[in-house]
Amino acid sequence: SYDLTQPPSVSVSPGQTARITCSGHALPKKYAFWYQQKSGQAPVLVIYEDSKRPSGIPERFSGFGSGTTATLTISGAQVEDEADYYCYSTDSSGNHGVFGGGTKLTVL
Amino acid sequence: QVQLVQSGAEVKKPGSSVKVSCKASGGTFSNFAFSWVRQAPGQGLEWMGGIIPMFGTVNYAQKFQGRVTITADESTTTTYMELSSLRSEDTAVYYCARDVVVTATQNYFYMDVWGKGTTVTVSS
Repeated sequence: SYDLTQPPSVSVSPGQTARITCSGHALPKKYAFWYQQKSGQAPVLVIYEDSKRPSGIPERFSGFGSGTTATLTISGAQVEDEADYYCYSTDSSGNHGVFGGGTKLTVL
Repeated sequence: QVQLVQSGAEVKKPGSSVKVSCKASGGTFSNFAFSWVRQAPGQGLEWMGGIIPMFGTVNYAQKFQGRVTITADESTTTTYMELSSLRSEDTAVYYCARDVVVTATQNYFYMDVWGKGTTVTVSS
């Protein structure tokens, strides 16, 4: 089965830049997507197709894909950005979805 | 805008089955596609499978193949996920989500609208 690998945790101080990576062998040919999940809530899409930001998502959220690694960057992280972040993509067929293991972002 | 309303929490015995529903509103159901994603307590998100009602296409994650059935009923604008042979490890929150499906130079899909989740507890 296809796996996406994320670091378990990232910690930054408020106002610093947080970067979360996601590695997967199919990423050179498949887009990466990023979801934010706050405690007790459903996930929210924050980046789609590697680098696009849905309406309503703050500009401090950005994404970039290069080779087998996708990166979510939060520039000037805020306390309210503290959450679990999951990368997502599809397998090479495009018919099966897969999530990374998730990264817990701490902002304090 | 699209809203997904899921059925209520369930408590099931090991070996039994559970069927969770997800009613869609705010769009044309025949144009929708849906995924089901679960999250065990303290764990990450896990894609279980998805359905494209317009094409009658259903795909399942290999882990759940043979144990999960995803269906859709256009008359009630509802998608269903049934999981059988339940065990304690199936205790989780089960989410439905609306998929955006792209079939162009790349073939992929992703979830853009989520239901609030349904808690399923498997316990003897």
